[in-house]
Parts: sequence; C-alpha cells; structure tokens
Amino acid sequence: ETGVTQTPRHLVMGMTNKKSLKCEQHLGHNAMYWYKQSAKKPLELMFVYNFKEQTENNSVPSRFSPECPNSSHLFLHLHTLQPEDSALYLCASSQDTERGGNEQFFGPGTRLTVL
Amino acid sequence: QKEVEQDPGPLSVPEGAIVSLNCTYSNSAFQYFMWYRQYSRKGPELLMYTYSSGNKEDGRFTAQVDKSSKYISLFIRDSQPSDSATYLCAMSVGNYGQNFVFGPGTRLSVLP
Repeated sequence: ETGVTQTPRHLVMGMTNKKSLKCEQHLGHNAMYWYKQSAKKPLELMFVYNFKEQTENNSVPSRFSPECPNSSHLFLHLHTLQPEDSALYLCASSQDTERGGNEQFFGPGTRLTVL
Repeated sequence: QKEVEQDPGPLSVPEGAIVSLNCTYSNSAFQYFMWYRQYSRKGPELLMYTYSSGNKEDGRFTAQVDKSSKYISLFIRDSQPSDSATYLCAMSVGNYGQNFVFGPGTRLSVLP
C-alpha cells in the first residue's frame, strides 16, 4: 500500500449505530487530518493530530470522536449521527504542522450516508 | 463575506482551450497558496504550491498570485479531457501548516 488509504470506502448507517472510519498513511508523516466534504461546500477541517497529539478541534460535535494511536493511523468514531452528517470524509497527512503551506496528501475518502 | 470564494461552475471548454480558474480571498495574512485537483470518487491531489506573490509554471499549468488584489489564478494550457475534475484552491497563513482554508471548488469539463 502506498500513500494514504481509507476504509471503508462507503458506509451507510442508521442514526443509532456506532461505526468507525479508518485512515492509514504510508508516507512517514507526523501530522494527520480529518476533513468533511459536503456537496458544493468547501472542505471543512475537523481534527488535526501532530505527533499523535490533537492540536485542532474545529468545534466538531461530540458525536464525532477521533483517535490517533500512532503517527500512521487515524480513526474517526461515529455515534448517533444525524442525516446532515452525510458527506465524504477525507483523511490527509503531512510532514508535520509546523511549516506553513507544507503539502497535505489526501486519501480517497469514505462516502458516509446516515439514514 | 466568505473567507475564500470560487466560482463553482461547471465550466465546460473544448479540448485544447486555455482554462482560467480563479479564487478571491479576504484574509490579507495568507502567505501560501495551493491548487488541488480532485477527480470524481478520489481525494484531492496537490497540483501547484506558491508562496507569496508571483507566478509559478509546471508543464501546462501556471499559478498566479496577486496579493494586492487578493486574487489567485490557475491557468491550464492545451486542456485535455483528462483535466476534467474539480479544482480546489487552498491557502494558509505562514507557520501554521494545518490552517488551510479551501475554496468550494470549480468543476471543469474538457470536451473532446
């Protein structure tokens, strides 16, 4: 595997379910990110981890819970979601968060549908 | 006013045309400017990255930044059907690489 991988690629869940999204990066990076991409809206940054420490939580509702056990893996735990949470969830990684403008590499995303 | 504005399109052009994609922004502190390309069902991939004002060329792609007008552009020469994608501009303030602000993207179709 190369680059940034995400599983599952598609997920349909009910509002009472609990599920998790997984991201893995094979680039030796130290920073990882979760973004939400909704139709016709800009990418919304949700969480940032730098060297496994959360450095940014962009006022994300508590029904989204991130976990970063090491610099290569990032999870997004989901519970009691709402239909408006349906979107493409993108994971990205970069060398770290200290250098302005350093390139972020994105995974293919998980298309989430909440019924 | 939104922090970054971008015409969502769709923009349709014939093969071989020169394409101009643009973003305007309101925060004069932005120093780093990027263009990402996103194909359907894929994540965004970085196309061009520029620091401060000026031009940068890479093959058929040219990025321009005009900080005085708070305006950035991406030009695609000799456009190909394979260039059909959504193009996202992004920008950040120096020293905080995580604080990217993205535009909503412009969907481009290059017709054979």
